[in-house]
Amino acid sequence: DAKTTQPNSMESNEEEPVHLPCNHSTISGTDYIHWYRQLPSQGPEYVIHGLTSNVNNRMASLAIAEDRKSSTLILHRATLRDAAVYYCILRGGSNYKLTFGKGTLLTVNP
Amino acid sequence: GAGVSQSPSNKVTEKGKDVELRCDPISGHTALYWYRQSLGQGLEFLIYFQGNSAPDKSGLPSDRFSAERTGGSVSTLTIQRTQQEDSAVYLCASSLKGLGGPGELFFGEGSRLTVL
Repeated sequence: DAKTTQPNSMESNEEEPVHLPCNHSTISGTDYIHWYRQLPSQGPEYVIHGLTSNVNNRMASLAIAEDRKSSTLILHRATLRDAAVYYCILRGGSNYKLTFGKGTLLTVNP
Repeated sequence: GAGVSQSPSNKVTEKGKDVELRCDPISGHTALYWYRQSLGQGLEFLIYFQGNSAPDKSGLPSDRFSAERTGGSVSTLTIQRTQQEDSAVYLCASSLKGLGGPGELFFGEGSRLTVL
């Protein structure tokens, strides 16, 4: 599986935007970029995914670099409930597995 | 139910005993996954079921671990002769698509296993 690299931790203030980076320099043409997050004492939950174009949904936006070697998850206005571990994962079109790394622990300060 | 349901939510057992963990996926989801998460660690893939196909057991850590999925729905993960290193949260997820598509995974809240 192609590998992703994320910072171990990040901090943000409530109601400010958060940009969570992910590097995936060995991404292949069929790999989708998935983001999941895991709140304390819960299972992971899907956030967003994309292939080439930027994506928006009710939870977040995903900005994908033109060469696809990096991406950024954008939370437009962080809330205390956004404090979680955020995982950036590559998943090939025919690959059913999601391989979770250690992710980025996001702390949101009131 | 509305989401993936796992039971028990907490299980404390003695070393050497067998345990069974149950997963009820979202109705209609053909793909079912088991992951394990040790304290402070990421998720470790254990096993994957897709429809009637043979499961991918490549992540099972030893032959003490087994899983089955009956009728394409409920799944049971069995750990025989538990060891202290088996202590972890066992997470189940289901998906509408396995092979051939990115398919969003829906996770349960996990079963926390403590082996004394």
